Amino acid sequence: EIVLTQSPATLSLSPGERATLSCRASQSISGYLAWYQQKPGQAPRLLIYDASHRATGIPARFSGSGSGTDFTLSISSLEPEDFTVYYCQQRYNWPFTFGGGTEVEIK
Amino acid sequence: EVQLVESGGGLVQPGGSQRLSCAASGFTFSSYAMSWVRQAPGKGLEWVSAMSGSGGNTYYADSVRGRFTISRDNSRNTLYLQMNSLRAEDTAIYYCAKDDPAGVAIAGTFDSWGQGTLVTVSS
Repeated sequence: EIVLTQSPATLSLSPGERATLSCRASQSISGYLAWYQQKPGQAPRLLIYDASHRATGIPARFSGSGSGTDFTLSISSLEPEDFTVYYCQQRYNWPFTFGGGTEVEIK
Repeated sequence: EVQLVESGGGLVQPGGSQRLSCAASGFTFSSYAMSWVRQAPGKGLEWVSAMSGSGGNTYYADSVRGRFTISRDNSRNTLYLQMNSLRAEDTAIYYCAKDDPAGVAIAGTFDSWGQGTLVTVSS
């Protein structure tokens, strides 16, 4: 099973600042990584697929990069609604696995 | 607009069974693989099971293999999860999720999610 490790667990930032979230895979997953946003009491929402492709309707402030084992989700300028939890997920191998999540909190 | 509506959750005793349903609309259901993903209270996401659009391919997480069965009725645009021999650690919100893109057996990118249904396994 491929283990995804997200860091940091919590990221404390102010609105308008840039957020950089990391996801590291236990083995190479090529570019088969997605990022999801989950707000309290809601289902996850797809942000980025295949490492760097924004999903439909996702604002341009969200971007993804990386390949192999190291991936990054960047939020260029945090909006109030961006302070929530983010998960990465790999689809390279069965079983599909998620990272443990990063919470972006208001500093 | 894609809509996924789960139902069937509730309180069940350890060792018991429960069947979840996911009613889909707004897309050609039979063209897309579907998955179940769960989230224990206050915890992260765990993929549970997936089925191809035709129903010919199925996959399970080790934690549920042999106890859970995924199925679908494309004539009713509905996905199911039959859960047997339930354990306390199966307590979670269960989400159904639409795969993307169409035409691939199971791609593993979840572009639409239902609101989830809570299953509580407790005596």
